[in-house]
Amino acid sequence: DAGITQSPRHKVTETGTPVTLRCHQTENHRYMYWYRQDPGHGLRLIHYSYGVKDTDKGEVSDGYSVSRSKTEDFLLTLESATSSQTSVYFCAISGAGTYNEQFFGPGTRLTVL
Amino acid sequence: GDSVTQMEGPVTLSEEAFLTINCTYTATGYPSLFWYVQYPGEGLQLLLKATKADDKGSNKGFEATYRKETTSFHLEKGSVQVSDSAVYFCAQLPNTGNQFYFGTGTSLTVIP
Repeated sequence: DAGITQSPRHKVTETGTPVTLRCHQTENHRYMYWYRQDPGHGLRLIHYSYGVKDTDKGEVSDGYSVSRSKTEDFLLTLESATSSQTSVYFCAISGAGTYNEQFFGPGTRLTVL
Repeated sequence: GDSVTQMEGPVTLSEEAFLTINCTYTATGYPSLFWYVQYPGEGLQLLLKATKADDKGSNKGFEATYRKETTSFHLEKGSVQVSDSAVYFCAQLPNTGNQFYFGTGTSLTVIP
């Protein structure tokens, strides 16, 4: 299994509070991604990173920010959580090149009350 | 734009039945194609992949062939087991970037 961990694995928070989710990899892969998974929507890309301090937006980036100060860590921040951000969040990594698959972390279940 | 469409679920089959989950893609070039599987409470795991036309990916009895002429990558298994119950995702990686595109997933339940 690819070395990807996510923390926390579960979190319950209240509307308006800031939340940070962490993704940590031990594979030294260049690319890291944050997705959210919701019933009926499959996986939707929030943000991704193609190197340290290099990030770009995905299709559902509003309300989220990211940071990558080290190759191994990719942080997802909800500045002011809303109930619509209740979801399961997955981190993924991949190496460079067009043939490389993504490896996924175990997920973080976030509930915003 | 680039996208993936897969058949709606849920799908319920009896053990040892034949499985097909349809997947088609839209791409401007020649993407790599993937099938992922997600078991309850877990992240996605790569099931198989194909990187060029006519390639066949296979793993654990599952197969899918990259068909450029029909822009399809259908997943098949000849005899499903209860342990195959999961959600299956089709995905593409365009040859011009590193952003993956996923289908919405197909839930499979296999009953004894």
